[in-house]
Amino acid sequence: AQTVTQSQPEMSVQEAETVTLSCTYDTSESDYYLFWYKQPPSRQMILVIRQEAYKQQNATENRFSVNFQKAAKSFSLKISDSQLGDAAMYFCAYSSGGSNYKLTFGKGTLLTVNP
Amino acid sequence: GAVVSQHPSWVICKSGTSVKIECRSLDFQATTMFWYRQFPKQSLMLMATSNEGSKATYEQGVEKDKFLINHASLTLSTLTVTSAHPEDSSFYICSARVQQGSGYTFGSGTRLTVV
Repeated sequence: AQTVTQSQPEMSVQEAETVTLSCTYDTSESDYYLFWYKQPPSRQMILVIRQEAYKQQNATENRFSVNFQKAAKSFSLKISDSQLGDAAMYFCAYSSGGSNYKLTFGKGTLLTVNP
Repeated sequence: GAVVSQHPSWVICKSGTSVKIECRSLDFQATTMFWYRQFPKQSLMLMATSNEGSKATYEQGVEKDKFLINHASLTLSTLTVTSAHPEDSSFYICSARVQQGSGYTFGSGTRLTVV
């Protein structure tokens, strides 16, 4: 079974600074997808960024980028120029590329942004 | 974009009664819907996967008779918590797969309180 590990229960960053959230995963599959989701206090799940395993290029979305190390099974999220609105719980998630499409989530990292 | 509408947002019910939670895909056909449960400050735990027109697949440890899932149409999936007890109080979230592996959209969640 696939597992997703987020080793940082909480992180904090100063506004306008950069922070990196860690995620590692375990799988024997070669075809899969990785995601970072944000859950603000409203509890609405919001997709931050996704990465296809077959793509070597790291995904980027404006201030958000990932460092995808396939051999090391690592998928970290970098948030640049942090804003107060970035404060939320962040979940790393894995999805198989086969017929089982369910998402497996990590335990989450609570990010605090200090003004 | 693909939107899943989840209702109700919150519900309080008496112990022993049943509660139904609905998730509707508004602008796409959701052949697969996922139901999650989330306790405070914890991650999302997959309860079951429902496919339109077939029986739901439940995760290990989830009581099928307590958490009834129906996915009778391509736009509607329901979760019924039967004979609810205080320990069933939680936050329930539905999610639909939009594209193979690359897209998932989430409902806004339902906070269930059983008194």
